[in-house]
Amino acid sequence: DIQMTQSPSTLSASVGDRVTITCRASQSVSNWLAWYQQKPGKAPKLLIYKASSLESGVPSRFSGSGSGTEFTLTISSLQPDDFATYYCQQYNSYSWAFGQGTKVEIK
Amino acid sequence: EVQLVETGGGLIQPGGSLRLSCAASGFSVSSNYMSWVRQAPGKGLEWVSIIYAGGTTYYADSVRGRFTISRDNSKNTLYLQINSLRAEDTAVYYCAGGYGSSIRWGQGTLVTISS
Repeated sequence: DIQMTQSPSTLSASVGDRVTITCRASQSVSNWLAWYQQKPGKAPKLLIYKASSLESGVPSRFSGSGSGTEFTLTISSLQPDDFATYYCQQYNSYSWAFGQGTKVEIK
Repeated sequence: EVQLVETGGGLIQPGGSLRLSCAASGFSVSSNYMSWVRQAPGKGLEWVSIIYAGGTTYYADSVRGRFTISRDNSKNTLYLQINSLRAEDTAVYYCAGGYGSSIRWGQGTLVTISS
């Protein structure tokens, strides 16, 4: 099975900062990679699909890049609403796999 | 608008059974792959099972033999039959489905295993 590794696990940042989260797959997932934002008590919210496609309604400060085994999620200018936990997910194989999550905290 | 609504969660004793439902609107459960994902309290997301348009199913090792994914095309509804429940099955269960190259998720239903 494919394993997904996210880094960092926790990130402290200030409003206006540029933030980058990395996700590595144990084998190639092509570009079948999604990024989610999750807040406490809520369902995951899709931000990016197919590695770099912005989901409708998601602010353009979110962007995704990468292919194969290395992916990044970038928030160009962190806003107060962005403090949350972020997950990557591969959906290239039948057994989806998620990263362990990155919690973005207020510095 | 695509909507997935999960129901069927609740408080169940260890060893019990439960059937979760995921009703879809604006979206065909028979034409797209559909999956169940769960999240234990304070933990990350864990894939549970998937069913493809052709009917092929797969399960995570942790649930294989105890959980069964199925769908009713006439009701446009996805199901997850969960048997022999254990304390470690306590989680919010989400259904999710492929939508083009994207994925749509429901809001989840909480299953609590406790005596």
